[in-house]
Amino acid sequence: AQKVTQAQTEISVVEKEDVTLDCVYETRDTTYYLFWYKQPPSGELVFLIRRNSFDEQNEISGRYSWNFQKSTSSFNFTITASQVVDSAVYFCALSEDSSSASKIIFGSGTRLSIRP
Amino acid sequence: DSGVTQTPKHLITATGQRVTLRCSPRSGDLSVYWYQQSLDQGLQFLIQYYNGEERAKGNILERFSAQQFPDLHSELNLSSLELGDSALYFCASSVEVVRGTLRANVLTFGAGSRLTVL
Repeated sequence: AQKVTQAQTEISVVEKEDVTLDCVYETRDTTYYLFWYKQPPSGELVFLIRRNSFDEQNEISGRYSWNFQKSTSSFNFTITASQVVDSAVYFCALSEDSSSASKIIFGSGTRLSIRP
Repeated sequence: DSGVTQTPKHLITATGQRVTLRCSPRSGDLSVYWYQQSLDQGLQFLIQYYNGEERAKGNILERFSAQQFPDLHSELNLSSLELGDSALYFCASSVEVVRGTLRANVLTFGAGSRLTVL
């Protein structure tokens, strides 16, 4: 069975600090997809990234970076030089199906607060 | 603006009542998904429609139903409402192929409809 664990319920840091959001997943499939979504205070979930299980390269997009490690079943998300606008709930998700989003399992989310 | 439109944004009603939530997917997206987000259950997949037909069902109660119309907009009907149905209901759509890369499992969410049952 699939499972996504985001053990950090809430994180609060001061602006400009680096912060890492942890995500640990469980799956029996060898082909799967991992996602991160951001839910700002406005409420709308925003897609950030999708990685497939065959691509273990870390990815960087501006101040955001993702570290995918199959050996530890983790897909962690780091924000460098955090800003107040990064305050949001972040969801990690897992899917074993590339053809539909109906099998996506979301983690419980990490609420990130960036203090000025 | 994600391109997925949901109405109403907020809805307050009483137990036992029936409400309809509406969603217009992003232009070109054929799949519509409905999710429920509550504090205790997190994000729960309810149901998916693809081009007018039901494609997948999740944790959707029998009191809830949905449909997708020929113009691809979708409606989620919630009946015999209970206090526990209070939640944020999201609609999302997905694109089948983008520039040759299959992205059918990437969701674009609407802003949600917040339902409060009193």
